[in-house]
Amino acid sequence: AQKVTQAQTEISVVEKEDVTLDCVYETRDTTYYLFWYKQPPSGELVFLIRRNSFDEQNEISGRYSWNFQKSTSSFNFTITASQVVDSAVYFCALSEATNTGTASKLTFGTGTRLQVTL
Amino acid sequence: ETGVTQTPRHLVMGMTNKKSLKCEQHLGHNAMYWYKQSAKKPLELMFVYSLEERVENNSVPSRFSPECPNSSHLFLHLHTLQPEDSALYLCASSQSARPTTNEKLFFGSGTQLSVL
Repeated sequence: AQKVTQAQTEISVVEKEDVTLDCVYETRDTTYYLFWYKQPPSGELVFLIRRNSFDEQNEISGRYSWNFQKSTSSFNFTITASQVVDSAVYFCALSEATNTGTASKLTFGTGTRLQVTL
Repeated sequence: ETGVTQTPRHLVMGMTNKKSLKCEQHLGHNAMYWYKQSAKKPLELMFVYSLEERVENNSVPSRFSPECPNSSHLFLHLHTLQPEDSALYLCASSQSARPTTNEKLFFGSGTQLSVL
């Protein structure tokens, strides 16, 4: 069975600090996708990034960067120079096809709550 | 604004009530999902509909009954719930109508359900 572990339940940082959110996954599939979603206080999960299992290049998008290491089954997320607006719950997720293969099914971690204070 | 709207935002119900949660997506997507988010637990997939056909029922108790009348609307009918069913219920949609594992999901803001 697929599993996603986010060991950090809550992280609190002061604005402008860098912070890394950890994600470790388990899967027997050779082809899979990894995701990060952000859940602000308003409730909706917002897509941040998607990586496939064959692409281990790290990615940077503004203050966000992702480090995908297949050897350690990790997909960590770093926010550089954090801001108060980054305060949210962040979920890592792993995808697999549903029984009929017509829509994807995500296995989520338990989330990491990030609190950024002034 | 993700293009997925859920109503109501909050719902309090007794164990003998019948209520429904509504989800509407304005994105032209072909698949819709119900997820349950309980405190300190991973999001749990409940149901998946693709092209209005249920393709996944994740061992959900029969007191939860989904309905997908068209590709834009999804309902979750609730009947004789238990207090442990209190949670945030999230609806999501995705583009896919064919085999794929890389779908990006678009979520609504959820309905916070409290069962007394």
